[in-house]
Amino acid sequence: NAGVTQTPKFRVLKTGQSMTLLCAQDMNHEYMYWYRQDPGMGLRLIHYSVGEGTTAKGEVPDGYNVSRLKKQNFLLGLESAAPSQTSVYFCASSWGTARSTEAFFGQGTRLTVV
Amino acid sequence: AQSVAQPEDQVNVAEGNPLTVKCTYSVSGNPYLFWYVQYPNRGLQFLLKYITGDNLVKGSYGFEAEFNKSQTSFHLKKPSALVSDSALYFCAVSRRYNAGNMLTFGGGTRLMVKP
Repeated sequence: NAGVTQTPKFRVLKTGQSMTLLCAQDMNHEYMYWYRQDPGMGLRLIHYSVGEGTTAKGEVPDGYNVSRLKKQNFLLGLESAAPSQTSVYFCASSWGTARSTEAFFGQGTRLTVV
Repeated sequence: AQSVAQPEDQVNVAEGNPLTVKCTYSVSGNPYLFWYVQYPNRGLQFLLKYITGDNLVKGSYGFEAEFNKSQTSFHLKKPSALVSDSALYFCAVSRRYNAGNMLTFGGGTRLMVKP
């Protein structure tokens, strides 16, 4: 049971380069999320999706785009990377029902923009 | 808007002693409250949650948390700490009936359990 899988695990980008982070979940969850983790700031929500074909902005969406073409996948794109986007990125998924709201997280992608 | 405060960046406790990691929250309406743990170079693992009902909730690895509505707190506790409990702990809140069930996290508390 893989749960939530993120690729890649590590990446170094030059300023201005683009990249896509892939998140895949095998739990048939409706909801998926992208967070970034920075020291002392906890996790902040970038974008989220409540179902296939839908996306919405979170707390810190600027500089990122997302797509959810398939229920099991949620892609996070950086069109023109900036040093401020150096962070650890986590994908998560959940059922989203009232009684089963906990999110399941991937192992993270450590991104460095130089 | 919803927010979470974890007032302690680090908590130090001796193995075998009880531990408490503090969390207070702010949310409009009734909250869903969560605790997650993060080990080095790993993702977050769910520990426990409060949805409704009994204010004392029990979770994984012997942890428990008490929901206190009047103090808007959800402190994490364990009667006897283990060295293996050393990790980064996050409290999170979500608002009931919030489309998307988005979690707002606190800044995290590093728990250090010394032998």
